[in-house]
Amino acid sequence: QKEVEQNSGPLSVPEGAIASLNCTYSDRGSQSFFWYRQYSGKSPELIMFIYSNGDKEDGRFTAQLNKASQYVSLLIRDSQPSDSATYLCAVEDYSGGSNYKLTFGKGTLLTVNP
Amino acid sequence: ETGVTQTPRHLVMGMTNKKSLKCEQHLGHNAMYWYKQSAKKPLELMFVYNFKEQTENNSVPSRFSPECPNSSHLFLHLHTLQPEDSALYLCASSPGNEQFFGPGTRLTVL
Repeated sequence: QKEVEQNSGPLSVPEGAIASLNCTYSDRGSQSFFWYRQYSGKSPELIMFIYSNGDKEDGRFTAQLNKASQYVSLLIRDSQPSDSATYLCAVEDYSGGSNYKLTFGKGTLLTVNP
Repeated sequence: ETGVTQTPRHLVMGMTNKKSLKCEQHLGHNAMYWYKQSAKKPLELMFVYNFKEQTENNSVPSRFSPECPNSSHLFLHLHTLQPEDSALYLCASSPGNEQFFGPGTRLTVL
């Protein structure tokens, strides 16, 4: 059973700070990693994906991947109250052909305090 | 808006009822998924369809019956559900490995 682990939080940061969200995964062969944001009562929204070791930046968001440590993180710079949500880490489970699946973590609840 | 729609958005049903959830996407994606999301649990994959063919049934009880008549539509037929089946049911579609979710159906089983 492939596993994706996240701290459930809540993670509380002040407005303007950097929020750091972490995720570890069990399958060393995993190649693709995704971060989804889910506001309360809403469905998950894809915000970042990363395939290669290192950092990937998109606006205020930076995804970091370390395959040797089986670790992926999401940094949110200049956090805003509107960033308050649950952040889901997802790891691709690819079984060949067009059969793509994702394994999700439980999510980390982030609260940004004004 | 991701281009994935789900109806109804809310559903209350008794344990003896039969109902269906509908998902629709016109994004040209070849894969569609049903997930269950319960409080304090990770998203649980239920079914996967690729090009209308079911490629995954994640040990889902037979009281949940999926149907994929074409690559744009996906249904989840429900019958004799249990109160523990109350959850948010999410549909997603994908062109490859990125998945895009619909708004979900909040299901309550009385």
